[in-house]
Amino acid sequence: DIQMTQSPSSLSASVGDRVTITCRASQSISTNLNWYQQKPGKAPNLLIYAASRLQSGVPSRFSGSGSGTDFTLTISSLQPEDFATYYCQQYYSSPRTFGQGTKLEIK
Amino acid sequence: QVLLQESGPRLVRPSETLSLTCTVSGGSISSNYWTWIRQPAGKGLEWIGRIYTSGSTLYNPSLKSRVTMSLDTSKNQFSLTLTSVTAADTAVYVCARRPTTGGIYDYWGQGTLVTVSS
Repeated sequence: DIQMTQSPSSLSASVGDRVTITCRASQSISTNLNWYQQKPGKAPNLLIYAASRLQSGVPSRFSGSGSGTDFTLTISSLQPEDFATYYCQQYYSSPRTFGQGTKLEIK
Repeated sequence: QVLLQESGPRLVRPSETLSLTCTVSGGSISSNYWTWIRQPAGKGLEWIGRIYTSGSTLYNPSLKSRVTMSLDTSKNQFSLTLTSVTAADTAVYVCARRPTTGGIYDYWGQGTLVTVSS
């Protein structure tokens, strides 16, 4: 299985901050990576697909980059509704695997 | 708007079988991959497996010996069966849709908490 490791596991930030979350794959996955946002009690919501493509309807303050083994999700200016848990997910091979999540909290 | 809704028993006894159904509305169950994912409390997401509209399946090797997925196109439903459950199988179980192109999960159910306990 491809292991996905996110860092940090948790992060405190303020509204307006620029935030970066990192995801590292245990082997190269090209750009076969998605990012999801999950709020408590809700299903995950797709933000970024194919490493850098913004899902329709997702605010442009979200962006993704990377290829191979190292990826980043950046939120350019945090908004109150962005405080949530973020997951990366690879679809290079089966079984599909997710990172352990990064919980973004209000400072 | 495609909606997915999980249903099934919320409490399962150890060593017994967990059975869940996902009902798809607002769209056909044809021409997509239908997936089960679970999330133990306070933990991350685990992909259980998927079934295609043809009936072909792919399971997580860690669960393969205990998992079966099936599809009922007449009811627009797909199902998950997990046998010989233990407390480690306690989790929120979520169904999701994956289009045939790309690897995204674009529609998700709300999830249902299944507790394994005597």
